[in-house]
Amino acid sequence: AQSVTQLGSHVSVSEGALVLLRCNYSSSVPPYLFWYVQYPNQGLQLLLKYTSAATLVKGINGFEAEFKKSETSFHLTKPSAHMSDAAEYFCAVSDNNTDKLIFGTGTRLQVFP
Amino acid sequence: GAGVSQSPRYKVAKRGQDVALRCDPISGHVSLFWYQQALGQGPEFLTYFQNEAQLDKSGLPSDRFFAERPEGSVSTLKIQRTQQEDSAVYLCASSLFGTGSGEQYFGPGTRLTVT
Repeated sequence: AQSVTQLGSHVSVSEGALVLLRCNYSSSVPPYLFWYVQYPNQGLQLLLKYTSAATLVKGINGFEAEFKKSETSFHLTKPSAHMSDAAEYFCAVSDNNTDKLIFGTGTRLQVFP
Repeated sequence: GAGVSQSPRYKVAKRGQDVALRCDPISGHVSLFWYQQALGQGPEFLTYFQNEAQLDKSGLPSDRFFAERPEGSVSTLKIQRTQQEDSAVYLCASSLFGTGSGEQYFGPGTRLTVT
């Protein structure tokens, strides 16, 4: 069965610092991987997705993620954090048979001035 | 509308009451998904429609949960005889095609509180 694991339920960074949110996946077939962001009392918004076209994926708001098959990882990064990046971030894998998304438990990002 | 809408945004129900949660997907989207998000957790899959056909309902936690999409557009998630453990945010998402690589667009969710 496919699954994702997000290491670190909370990450705190200073404004301007590097953001690194970790995600490891488990899949027996090439996966489709996603990062979503959720602001308080809002639905999820897609940041970026990996669908095997390129291993380095660029998304919105300056975020990017690199698919590393050897490490079964899909970590999310941003070179310089902004206060507006404070939110909950979810990594997800798409089930190849049914298209449903299987989410990790989420990482709450705090950005300090 | 431009996005997925859900109503009501907030619902308080007494234990044992029935509730109905509505989802209006983006016009023309073939696939529709329901997820349940407990406090502090990631969303968990409940059920999936392709047009009016319910192709997967493996995530529904009990037979008290029922979903329909009779005309392939609007969907309703019904919970009968609500229990406290049903308290959660219920998210609806739609996508243009059911291919697995397609982006799912999420609504704002309905926060259900069972007292």
